[in-house]
Amino acid sequence: DGGITQSPKYLFRKEGQNVTLSCEQNLNHDAMYWYRQDPGQGLRLIYYSQIVNDFQKGDIAEGYSVSREKKESFPLTVTSAQKNPTAFYLCASSIPTNQPQHFGDGTRLSIL
Amino acid sequence: QQPVQSPQAVILREGEDAVINCSSSKALYSVHWYRQKHGEAPVFLMILLKGGEQKGHDKISASFNEKKQQSSLYLTASQLSYSGTYFCGTVRNSGNTPLVFGKGTRLSVIA
Repeated sequence: DGGITQSPKYLFRKEGQNVTLSCEQNLNHDAMYWYRQDPGQGLRLIYYSQIVNDFQKGDIAEGYSVSREKKESFPLTVTSAQKNPTAFYLCASSIPTNQPQHFGDGTRLSIL
Repeated sequence: QQPVQSPQAVILREGEDAVINCSSSKALYSVHWYRQKHGEAPVFLMILLKGGEQKGHDKISASFNEKKQQSSLYLTASQLSYSGTYFCGTVRNSGNTPLVFGKGTRLSVIA
């Protein structure tokens, strides 16, 4: 079955540490997205990529970095510069930008 | 420019109807609707394109008023399974820009 796989499901970060969240899709979608979800805030866009080797900042990109070396993969790194990383992170993909997005099951990141 | 959803939360008894609104201050190309159950991923419901169309999906339908830059989601004869948080996402301009999601409307259906 096609879908989006996010790992790990739960992640803990120590002070000053960078952590990487994995997102893999086998839907053959060109566009991929990373969202951050905080209670009462909805889904806020961190980064998105419409094609391999290209990505754009979303509304809250500071403290995060991404890469898109393969069509199937769009990993997100939460750097030590992100001072409030505790949140639920969702990865999504779609055919072009303005089509239904399919979401992964999310990664919950907490600070130790 | 995050779209504004109203109400923020609503409680219904089974069989009652509800309307969730999504408004934007900017010209819209399309509106998307998603539902998220607690602890799960959001699930796509429908897309509405400019042109004032209305769509239906079982007992859930939606409309898009392009002039008012507003979309409404209608839930008819609600079921327990309708509980969750509903998000609208809006796309501006020509449609080649990413979705901007509202903060969500929490819907609780009780027996």
